[in-house]
Amino acid sequence: GAVVSQHPSWVICKSGTSVKIECRSLDFQATTMFWYRQFPKQSLMLMATSNEGSKATYEQGVEKDKFLINHASLTLSTLTVTSAHPEDSSFYICSAARRGRIKDTEAFFGQGTRLTVV
Amino acid sequence: QKEVEQNSGPLSVPEGAIASLNCTYSDRGSQSFFWYRQYSGKSPELIMFIYSNGDKEDGRFTAQLNKASQYVSLLIRDSQPSDSATYLCAVNDRMDSSYKLIFGSGTRLLVRP
Repeated sequence: GAVVSQHPSWVICKSGTSVKIECRSLDFQATTMFWYRQFPKQSLMLMATSNEGSKATYEQGVEKDKFLINHASLTLSTLTVTSAHPEDSSFYICSAARRGRIKDTEAFFGQGTRLTVV
Repeated sequence: QKEVEQNSGPLSVPEGAIASLNCTYSDRGSQSFFWYRQYSGKSPELIMFIYSNGDKEDGRFTAQLNKASQYVSLLIRDSQPSDSATYLCAVNDRMDSSYKLIFGSGTRLLVRP
C-alpha cells in the first residue's frame, strides 16, 4: 500500500497556543487529503476535505477559523489547531486519496497525532 | 444524513473460528465499500475494498456485498488473537463529485486464545 506520513505522532501544548500537524504522501501524489478526529471509543469523524490549491471543505459543525487547513502541494497538507483548548484534545488522523487501479479512489491513513491540551 | 451502522460489540470468538462482522448503509447510491482494522491508539489500516455484489476473498479475509439489501460484511477465517481490534466499515460518498468516506462506529473483535 501507499505510505502516508503524519507528524508529530503526539504533542502536548498549553491552552491558548496553536499546534500544526503535517500530513505527507511519500510515494504518490494525493488528489485529495482528509482530516479526521477521533475521540476515545468513538469512530472517525471527518473534519474537512482538502484539494491541492483550493480551499478546504469543512464538515458541518467544524470551525474553519479554528482548524486551519493548508494543502500547499499534491504531497503535503497541514492542519493547524489555533488557540487550542482542553476540549480539542483528541486523536487527529489524516488520509490521502489516490486514483486507484480499478475505478475508484483508495485512501491511506497517516499514523495519527495524539493532541493533549493542558 | 448518510449513515453507516455497525454493531459495537465486542464480538468474542475462539481462536481458529470464523469471525463475521456486519455493516449496513443508508445511501443506496453508494458504490465503494471498505473495511479497515484499527488497533487501540493506532490509525486505521485498509484490509479490503469491494465494489461489486458478491464475495471477494483475500487470504483469510472475505468481503461480501449485497447492494439490494444494503449490507456489507467481513469474514475472518481461522481467527487469531492478533486479529483482536476494532473493524471499521466505510462507504464512499459520491455527493457533488467529491470523494470522502463515511465511517461506521466500528465493531470490536476479541479473539480468545
